Amino acid sequence: SQTIHQWPATLVQPVGSPLSLECTVEGTSNPNLYWYRQAAGRGLQLLFYSVGIGQISSEVPQNLSASRPQDRQFILSSKKLLLSDSGFYLCAWEGRSYNEQFFGPGTRLTVL
Amino acid sequence: SQQGEEDPQALSIQEGENATMNCSYKTSINNLQWYRQNSGRGLVHLILIRSNEREKHSGRLRVTLDTSKKSSSLLITASRAADTASYFCATESYGKLTFGQGTILTVHP
Repeated sequence: SQTIHQWPATLVQPVGSPLSLECTVEGTSNPNLYWYRQAAGRGLQLLFYSVGIGQISSEVPQNLSASRPQDRQFILSSKKLLLSDSGFYLCAWEGRSYNEQFFGPGTRLTVL
Repeated sequence: SQQGEEDPQALSIQEGENATMNCSYKTSINNLQWYRQNSGRGLVHLILIRSNEREKHSGRLRVTLDTSKKSSSLLITASRAADTASYFCATESYGKLTFGQGTILTVHP
């Protein structure tokens, strides 16, 4: 069966520090991968999606970047965090023949 | 801007009652999906209804879709305390999901 992992689960970082959040998927090949951010009490905002290795599409201009170095690995990064980067970050995958997305447990990021 | 808008923003009911949540959207879609999120957790897919479908059932869930009104509803029958969560609709178009702001459902035992 397919599983999706995210780490870390929680992270507290100072303003200006770098960020690296990792997402990995098991049990499926060539998935579409997604990064979302969820502000407190709000819906999800799509940040990046990827249809293959090295292929990244950005949905909103921001302080973040994404990379997909391997088929089942999706990384969210920042060189210098801003206070506004705080939030709950969710990774999701979608199979080629599905329309539904499967979400990881999320990473709660607090920038101080 | 968000494609889906949910109504109500919060819903509080007693166990055994039915819960109805509504979702409206603005543009053409391929399908509409409902997700559930327990506090501080990831989202779990509940049900998908395609644009050419009008109603779909899954266990205690019933989803309707009216493409002429660009709206959908999620009905949870015979609610349980364990149904307490946030519920989001998401519209799929061109391979991407756009989520609404969600409805917070509280079911009191």
